[in-house]
Amino acid sequence: KNEVEQSPQNLTAQEGEFITINCSYSVGISALHWLQQHPGGGIVSLFMLSSGKKKHGRLIATINIQEKHSSLHITASHPRDSAVYICAVRDSGAQKLVFGQGTRLTINP
Amino acid sequence: DTEVTQTPKHLVMGMTNKKSLKCEQHMGHRAMYWYKQKAKKPPELMFVYSYEKLSINESVPSRFSPECPNSSLLNLHLHALQPEDSALYLCASSHLSGGTGELFFGEGSRLTVL
Repeated sequence: KNEVEQSPQNLTAQEGEFITINCSYSVGISALHWLQQHPGGGIVSLFMLSSGKKKHGRLIATINIQEKHSSLHITASHPRDSAVYICAVRDSGAQKLVFGQGTRLTINP
Repeated sequence: DTEVTQTPKHLVMGMTNKKSLKCEQHMGHRAMYWYKQKAKKPPELMFVYSYEKLSINESVPSRFSPECPNSSLLNLHLHALQPEDSALYLCASSHLSGGTGELFFGEGSRLTVL
């Protein structure tokens, strides 16, 4: 069993839809990161969370430490949101990130 | 300046060549990382430098040789690579390696080994 599991693995939606991507982890963590990667491109850090909720524009990230679960929400989705979204956790006291397998999101116009 | 700059963006090399990948940041970050990413897979950690000292080597073959000449620069020297080493190589930095600092990634260097 992977330490970080994302669902769904693939998601296709129409422009304007509300999107939710989920991340569950099995280890104790000091932080959780949501990352975005466009095809062939580098990685952009969207959020770093250790508790609660963060919002940036149309993106919202939440984390429930007790349930070891985080969600990334996109409101009013747009084709430019099409990318791979990666959840990564920093193991408590470790220097390493543990990555999920990513969620490939496609938003059709 | 919140950028991590990687050069070159693309590199094609033969198995006998020697080349280097470069990474630069001017955010004052003291932790820098090299990751390898194969297509449709998450990044895999290769090396971590903390305060210019190598702190993690994830059992990477010696044909990859990292170097951190100063707190802003990170190099990855490549020698006698194999075709299976073809991948996107990502550099990242953070304020502190063991803390909860946000990670900043470069655009990556896409390496093809012939």
